[in-house]
Amino acid sequence: EVQLVESGGGLIQPGGSLRLSCAASGFTVSSNYMSWVRQAPGKGLEWVSVIYSGGGTYDADSVKGRFTISRDNSKNTLYLQMNSLRAEDTAVYYCARGSSGWYDWGQGTLVTVSS
Amino acid sequence: SYELTQPPSVSVSPGQTASITCSGDKLGDKYTCWYQQKPGQSPVLVIYQDSKRPSGIPERFSGSNSGNTATLTISGTQAMDEADYYCQAWDTSTNYVFGTGTKVTVL
Repeated sequence: EVQLVESGGGLIQPGGSLRLSCAASGFTVSSNYMSWVRQAPGKGLEWVSVIYSGGGTYDADSVKGRFTISRDNSKNTLYLQMNSLRAEDTAVYYCARGSSGWYDWGQGTLVTVSS
Repeated sequence: SYELTQPPSVSVSPGQTASITCSGDKLGDKYTCWYQQKPGQSPVLVIYQDSKRPSGIPERFSGSNSGNTATLTISGTQAMDEADYYCQAWDTSTNYVFGTGTKVTVL
């Protein structure tokens, strides 16, 4: 059974850093396209970052230069390093698996950026 | 940047057909997906590659995509289909993009 479990969210001050983790089971992270998608409170879905099976990465303009997606093949885990956090980064962050559509999603982890 | 526009809300009576549109420039040239999201839950993929249904998705969900508009159709709508629905496509300039979302209410 495929399972994605995010962790690492919490309350952080503006300008701070946070690293989110997404532990995967039932499949191999490095063989799949993996993405982070976020949803601000009461708002719609927003794609954040993707890492392809070949290792290439792309980020949304809104997080470019501040967020970095990566993976640890030995731990079968996806990460999102978030630096220089802003109030507008407050959201539930989901990790998701898929290429022609995101078939599997985690339960999400809430990141709140506030002083 | 590439944008996808959906109607904010759609209302439908039980057993009737709900159609949700997603508009974007030359959207028919791209593959479109649709996600269902119920309150407090993670999104669920209901349509991929314009019209394909993942395993476990009921046949009442169907999709099409042509010109500038993709459409998600729910035939014989049930109360359990009440949710937010998002279209999503991939564009060379913005990578992955979501639509603005549509709240489907089953009256």
